[in-house]
Amino acid sequence: AQKITQTQPGMFVQEKEAVTLDCTYDTSDPSYGLFWYKQPSSGEMIFLIYQGSYDQQNATEGRYSLNFQKARKSANLVISASQLGDSAMYFCAMREVNTGNQFYFGTGTSLTVIP
Amino acid sequence: GAVVSQHPSWVICKSGTSVKIECRSLDFQATTMFWYRQFPKQSLMLMATSNEGSKATYEQGVEKDKFLINHASLTLSTLTVTSAHPEDSSFYICSARRVAGAPLDDEQFFGPGTRLTVL
Repeated sequence: AQKITQTQPGMFVQEKEAVTLDCTYDTSDPSYGLFWYKQPSSGEMIFLIYQGSYDQQNATEGRYSLNFQKARKSANLVISASQLGDSAMYFCAMREVNTGNQFYFGTGTSLTVIP
Repeated sequence: GAVVSQHPSWVICKSGTSVKIECRSLDFQATTMFWYRQFPKQSLMLMATSNEGSKATYEQGVEKDKFLINHASLTLSTLTVTSAHPEDSSFYICSARRVAGAPLDDEQFFGPGTRLTVL
């Protein structure tokens, strides 16, 4: 079974609008971390936001927030006030403590911000 | 945040030659580094886990004789693609793990990637 599922291969959003990128995960490990990375065309993986499995509150980092629904096993990324520079691939990832902390990546969502 | 470098950032080589890619953690010691491969418009696929001072652990389907990994020091891991062929052309990314007090707090930092083209 897929550890991380991203069901949106491509998304479009108008500049200055908010957009939600979906991510669901599958794990039986009670200790895990959820991450979102941005990958522009240059290829570098840019860390955006992190949510630990024991965190009570949703993580926020500037314009990025993570909508953590533990019972539903979802960790959607919300980008507010989209900017043209937000156009990139976005990957959701999970790290399980019991599997040596290796990352499992989703298939990614290509976001295009329209002026 | 911590910095992980990769060298070279891109390389073009002839079929049959070997290529070495270096991954360095610049401001912390990393007992564990990871090597990923990414094809165009696809996700990162873990190739192997590199442990300092011991043999790497390869994921299923990754040929260990083809992709040699050496983690000789706490700040350097190398991936050597031996007898490279056009199908080995890909984007290779490493990450280095910085250990925290609790395993869940460990951080991983990604290198900028190396684009390999085999002619």
